[in-house]
Amino acid sequence: DTGVSQDPRHKITKRGQNVTFRCDPISEHNRLYWYRQTLGQGPEFLTYFQNEAQLEKSRLLSDRFSAERPKGSFSTLEIQRTEQGDSAMYLCASSLAGMSSGTDTQYFGPGTRLTVL
Amino acid sequence: AQTVTQSQPEMSVQEAETVTLSCTYDTSESDYYLFWYKQPPSRQMILVIRQEAYKQQNATENRFSVNFQKAAKSFSLKISDSQLGDAAMYFCAYRSPGLTQGGSEKLVFGKGTKLTVNP
Repeated sequence: DTGVSQDPRHKITKRGQNVTFRCDPISEHNRLYWYRQTLGQGPEFLTYFQNEAQLEKSRLLSDRFSAERPKGSFSTLEIQRTEQGDSAMYLCASSLAGMSSGTDTQYFGPGTRLTVL
Repeated sequence: AQTVTQSQPEMSVQEAETVTLSCTYDTSESDYYLFWYKQPPSRQMILVIRQEAYKQQNATENRFSVNFQKAAKSFSLKISDSQLGDAAMYFCAYRSPGLTQGGSEKLVFGKGTKLTVNP
């Protein structure tokens, strides 16, 4: 168990550019989550996958944001036409759904820190 | 919508002493889950302890314990025998029963409490 990994760890981009982040969950985990954390705040939920299906999306996830989990393993989060307000830490988490709802624990990755200039 | 409030932006404790971090939440659901996560500086968030709302017994994990008051919608974390390695941001989080039960799979976090441990 190598834990949740995210790549890159840091990304600096200019306003208007597109960026893509990758998350590799813990290998047997079937659930994957994306959160965004700005300075001084707790993480805010963006979206959730069970296997390859995107089952839940936050209203925070504007049309410029898209997430995929094509084979139910790793996931990508793309931000198009970045804005300075997108500067944040993007966290990925994964969990293994159990027999009973709510028994799974979300394990977090180290995050990707995005800076939009 | 559920909300989580941590009213203490910062707390400090002397090494080996006990400290309690406060958390309140607002929900209309009767079944849910509560968590405390720890986020050390520049390191990833890790789970400290979890509590199922249907359980009356307070959860404990070694030096960490909670005081869960369902009627008051309060969920405080007590850290006993504080250690230097306990210094971190602590986040309280709420989770609904789940999508299949009409809830959500997301965690709703408070703004966090920064804990400093003084030697």
